[in-house]
This record gives sequence, C-alpha cells and structure tokens, in this order.
Amino acid sequence: NAGVMQNPRHLVRRRGQEARLRCSPMKGHSHVYWYRQLPEEGLKFMVYLQKENIIDESGMPKERFSAEFPKEGPSILRIQQVVRGDSAAYFCASSTPGAPYSFGPGTRLTVL
Amino acid sequence: RKEVEQDPGPFNVPEGATVAFNCTYSNSASQSFFWYRQDCRKEPKLLMSVYSSGNEDGRFTAQLNRASQYISLLIRDSKLSDSATYLCVVSFSGTYKYIFGTGTRLKVLA
Repeated sequence: NAGVMQNPRHLVRRRGQEARLRCSPMKGHSHVYWYRQLPEEGLKFMVYLQKENIIDESGMPKERFSAEFPKEGPSILRIQQVVRGDSAAYFCASSTPGAPYSFGPGTRLTVL
Repeated sequence: RKEVEQDPGPFNVPEGATVAFNCTYSNSASQSFFWYRQDCRKEPKLLMSVYSSGNEDGRFTAQLNRASQYISLLIRDSKLSDSATYLCVVSFSGTYKYIFGTGTRLKVLA
C-alpha cells in the first residue's frame, strides 16, 4: 500500500510566479491536510479537505493561497504570485476519520 | 501563550541513557495526543499515540497528565538511531486538526 505521495519534491520559483503542489493520499484515506514548516520552526496547519470540500481553512493566508481536493485526482495547494517568505517545506498528510495522520515526504519550495 | 509548548533542546545524551521530554498544552478541551518523530529534512512519522492510562512500546513510554495538562515521552536505553526531533501533537475535541509543538531535538552520542 503506497504511502502519501507528494510532487514535486523540490520546486524553485521566481518571485511573482505560481507554485502548484500536489498530494495523493494513501489509498482509502478521505481526509487530506496541508501543513507548512518554515526553517527551524514547527509545522503550522493550513487547510483540511475532504473530497470536493474544504472543511477548515483557518490556517490559510487570506490572499494568494488556495487548495482543492477534486473528486478525481490529487489534492492541489496553489500559491499565486509567490514571494520569498513562501519558501518552506509543505507537507501533506492523510487519514481515515479519527486515525493518526500519515505524512507525505513534503515539497520544498524555494522562491528566488 | 503557545497552544503546545516543548523545550527545544538539544538534549545530548550518551548511548544507553534514559531521557525524558515533557510537553504542555493550553487547551483543556484537548482530546487526542501523539508523539511524532522527525528526522532532518524528512516528514514527521508517528511514534506513538498517548492514552490516558499511559502506554509503552518497547523502549518508549508515553504518559498523559490531564490535570496538569502535559504529556511526556520517556526513552530508555537510547540508541544512536534515536537522534531526531520529537514533536508533541495535540488535537482538540470535535476537530481533526493537529496542533504541533516546535519539537525537542535529541542527539544520542556514541
């Protein structure tokens, strides 16, 4: 059973470009979560999604960030007009209801 | 006050030592508790869930003290491979959202 998959593993963007991060949950997992980790800091919650629904986006910046989890395909975290402060590791996790998270390997975003 | 607080360390201990970490949480409505382990530049991995009665998994023991709002992790007979950052995680009643502490760094020395 494949684990949570994320791609790309590394992404380099110039300021003002768009970044698209993809996450495929573990088979059978209906809940997806996105977290951001800045260097030397803890993981910060961004958004919690189920298929076709955003359940909790209280950790998402109000502008430039959006997330979706369509009926078919992976969950996407989209960052428009990236700035240097967006450079971080973005981790996706998935779970079944009430079970502990399983994390993907993360996408390391570098904004030049 | 942070929702979940941990001593960042680092804790430098010799192989074979016993080491303990504490973590405090601020919200008394917290319901689920976990320890995750994170190696440098890798994803967090579940180490163990923490139950009210306490639980043990090999060399690792986790305890929960609801009255004082802290959880602990005890590692016995430390191995070099235990070197990592240990993340305390709390989830509040009615939500699947996990709140992470900033982690305690452990380095086991030969």
